Amino acid sequence: DAGVIQSPRHEVTEMGQEVTLRCKPISGHNSLFWYRQTMMRGLELLIYFNNNVPIDDSGMPEDRFSAKMPNASFSTLKIQPSEPRDSAVYFCASSFGRGYNEQFFGPGTRLTVL
Amino acid sequence: DAKTTQPTSMDCAEGRAANLPCNHSTISGNEYVYWYRQIHSQGPQYIIHGLKNNETNEMASLIITEDRKSSTLILPHATLRDTAVYYCIVRVADNTDKLIFGTGTRLQVFP
Repeated sequence: DAGVIQSPRHEVTEMGQEVTLRCKPISGHNSLFWYRQTMMRGLELLIYFNNNVPIDDSGMPEDRFSAKMPNASFSTLKIQPSEPRDSAVYFCASSFGRGYNEQFFGPGTRLTVL
Repeated sequence: DAKTTQPTSMDCAEGRAANLPCNHSTISGNEYVYWYRQIHSQGPQYIIHGLKNNETNEMASLIITEDRKSSTLILPHATLRDTAVYYCIVRVADNTDKLIFGTGTRLQVFP
């Protein structure tokens, strides 16, 4: 199994640009989670999906952030427009069943907004 | 939500047992204790979880006190590859899927 796949692994962009992060969960998993990690705030849950439906997006910082899961094998996290304070490592994780089952994390996308 | 308290950092000699404590004095009866770890520059990795009984798997053992107010993660023979940040997490009581990560314990295994 390839595990959770995230792309790109590194992204450098300028303030105001649109950024799209991508995630492919483990095949057969039906819950997907997006996290953000910074030195100041640690690891934060942004949003999670169950069976492609957003269940809780209370962690999404503001309207500039949006996430979609059009099918069971693909999800995107979009930031538009991006700001320097969005610089962080963004992790995607998936699990089989509900999230209290083991979550498998991807390698992360390191985003730098200049 | 039950909060957890962990030491900021710990050291352990290679080959020795690493015992990582966690306090969760406000834990509810139906809340599980989870442990994840994060090796530098990687995504977090699940280690083990438990409710009230002690648990063991190929990675570690989890000892939960009888009153469930604290627990200890034991790595029986620490290696240099076990150097990581270890997170003790209590699953939120509203039966959602959230795992709330705290600041964790930075374990340094030295030769």
